[in-house]
Amino acid sequence: DIQMTQSPSSLSASVGDRVTITCRASQTISSYLNWYQQNPGKAPKLLIYVATNLQSGVPSRFSGSASGTDFTLTISSLQPEDVATYYCQQSYSNPWTFGQGTKVEIK
Amino acid sequence: EVQLVESGGGLVQPGGSLRLSCAASGFTFSSYAMSWVRQAPGKGLEWVSAISGTGVSTYYADSVKGRFTISRDKSKNTLYLQMNSLRAEDTAVYYCAVGGISYYYMDVWGKGTTVTVSS
Repeated sequence: DIQMTQSPSSLSASVGDRVTITCRASQTISSYLNWYQQNPGKAPKLLIYVATNLQSGVPSRFSGSASGTDFTLTISSLQPEDVATYYCQQSYSNPWTFGQGTKVEIK
Repeated sequence: EVQLVESGGGLVQPGGSLRLSCAASGFTFSSYAMSWVRQAPGKGLEWVSAISGTGVSTYYADSVKGRFTISRDKSKNTLYLQMNSLRAEDTAVYYCAVGGISYYYMDVWGKGTTVTVSS
């Protein structure tokens, strides 16, 4: 199975800060990497698909990038409503696997 | 409006069975692969199973293989997850989602149904 390692596991930043979350795959996954946002008690929400594509309706302050087996989710200007846990997920091969999550809080 | 509504969760004893349902509406159900994803209390997301739009191809996580069966009914626009030989570690919120296999992301999710395995 492909292992997805996210870092950091949690972070605290100020409103307006640039926030970066990294996800590393244990082997090549091409660009088959998705990012989800989950608020407490809610279902996950797709943010970015296939590494760099912004899901419809998602604010443009969210972006994704890729370099080999390393993937990055960036929030260009953190907003209070961005407080959530973020997960990466590979869809290159079954079983699909998620990273362990990154909890984002406001400082 | 695209919508997924899960049902069938509840309290079950270890070794017992449960069948989850996911009613889909607002899209052509048979055109999309579907998945089940679960989340144990306080833990991260775990992909459980996926099924192709035709229902011919199915995939499972190793943790549920041989115990869970995914299926779909085109006439009812409903996805199912039959769960047998349940264990305490199967306790989780179970979400159904549009996507899986060659549909490379899960872009619509239900609100989830809670399964508790306990004596």
